[in-house]
Amino acid sequence: GQQLNQSPQSMFIQEGEDVSMNCTSSSIFNTWLWYKQDPGEGPVLLIALYKAGELTSNGRLTAQFGITRKDSFLNISASIPSDVGIYFCAGRGEYGNKLVFGAGTILRVKS
Amino acid sequence: SAVISQKPSRDICQRGTSLTIQCQVDSQVTMMFWYRQQPGQSLTLIATANQGSEATYESGFVIDKFPISRPNLTFSTLTVSNMSPEDSSIYLCSVDLRVAEAFFGQGTRLTVV
Repeated sequence: GQQLNQSPQSMFIQEGEDVSMNCTSSSIFNTWLWYKQDPGEGPVLLIALYKAGELTSNGRLTAQFGITRKDSFLNISASIPSDVGIYFCAGRGEYGNKLVFGAGTILRVKS
Repeated sequence: SAVISQKPSRDICQRGTSLTIQCQVDSQVTMMFWYRQQPGQSLTLIATANQGSEATYESGFVIDKFPISRPNLTFSTLTVSNMSPEDSSIYLCSVDLRVAEAFFGQGTRLTVV
């Protein structure tokens, strides 16, 4: 089946630094979604991407849908302590409604 | 976005028993999805629930273990049957809105002892 490779697995950064994480796949996706999950909560949608090459921002967050439709990245600029959490990428393939999730990136921020 | 409410938010259950998790959405949706998130892991789709038909289960999940009801367009239940400690996970319901954006409930944290 379709799989997403998300990296890095975890990051421990200084407050104020920029963060970058990405997801890649051998399969083509029609939709890329990026989520943040806080402890004890469900994932919250951050950014949705629908077209190859699309670059979308949401405050300090920027995500891009790769040209090949097989990858996506998420950048967080000027990180703050409340950015701490687990970030997941998710992709929806060419057929069907199922979402496939990456393994997640654990972000920790030193203040 | 939608308001998706799950009950219970957490529970501790004895092995061999069953737990039914409820999911209520504040708008009518065609499909509702149930996911499992094992400790420290990502989300895995259990099944897709359509109103008026049987749920569609993913590989590795069976109806006898995870029966699902979908009585109307705003509500679904997932039952975890004959529980064992390996069933300890977060169970999440999800709906699709605005083309293809998936929204999640807050999850049900299940611990089986």
